[in-house]
Amino acid sequence: ETGVTQTPRHLVMGMTNKKSLKCEQHLGHNAMYWYKQSAKKPLELMFVYSLEERVENNSVPSRFSPECPNSSHLFLHLHTLQPEDSALYLCASSQDPVQRSSYNEQFFGPGTRLTVL
Amino acid sequence: DQQVKQNSPSLSVQEGRISILNCDYTNSMFDYFLWYKKYPAEGPTFLISISSIKDKNEDGRFTVFLNKSAKHLSLHIVPSQPGDSAVYFCAAKNNNAGNMLTFGGGTRLMVKP
Repeated sequence: ETGVTQTPRHLVMGMTNKKSLKCEQHLGHNAMYWYKQSAKKPLELMFVYSLEERVENNSVPSRFSPECPNSSHLFLHLHTLQPEDSALYLCASSQDPVQRSSYNEQFFGPGTRLTVL
Repeated sequence: DQQVKQNSPSLSVQEGRISILNCDYTNSMFDYFLWYKKYPAEGPTFLISISSIKDKNEDGRFTVFLNKSAKHLSLHIVPSQPGDSAVYFCAAKNNNAGNMLTFGGGTRLMVKP
């Protein structure tokens, strides 16, 4: 138990569906992240929210839409996905480092296994 | 183009022996390196890290070695235990990039009793 929870743990959706992934952290952190892990590929950082403002978007398709209503909750809204979007979606949180040269450990949730039919 | 590579997708080791997991990187701006461990149905958990100003960091059975000239790091686990069986990810942080990490593809370690 890392203090980061994700729901649902498994999701199967059609290409025309709209769904949302939820992440919640109980660690008092002020930064949250969405990662994508496809089969045989490295973890890819999708979005970062620090102090509830999105600070980075790694050219992720617009069919993925993040939302961070407060420092404890993070959502990933999904619509008109493609089969190649099937992957494990991981959420993480950390304390945002004061200096950009520093690093604070990221704590990961268990992930949501997404299958797009 | 992958900046962090783990060229061995899997490794099998006998219990009690040494496990060596390797990682190569291309970006000379990376200044901090981490290893994460992932069990099935769980998220990655932090294992050990090393700053680019060091060439070795040890924590119990786990030691990470960094060779900056070769842009190579390795994780040594000795003695290996069956509970070490997991996927190990190498990750790197770019200098002055805050908390952004670049991950390798992972190596699945199997420790046989």
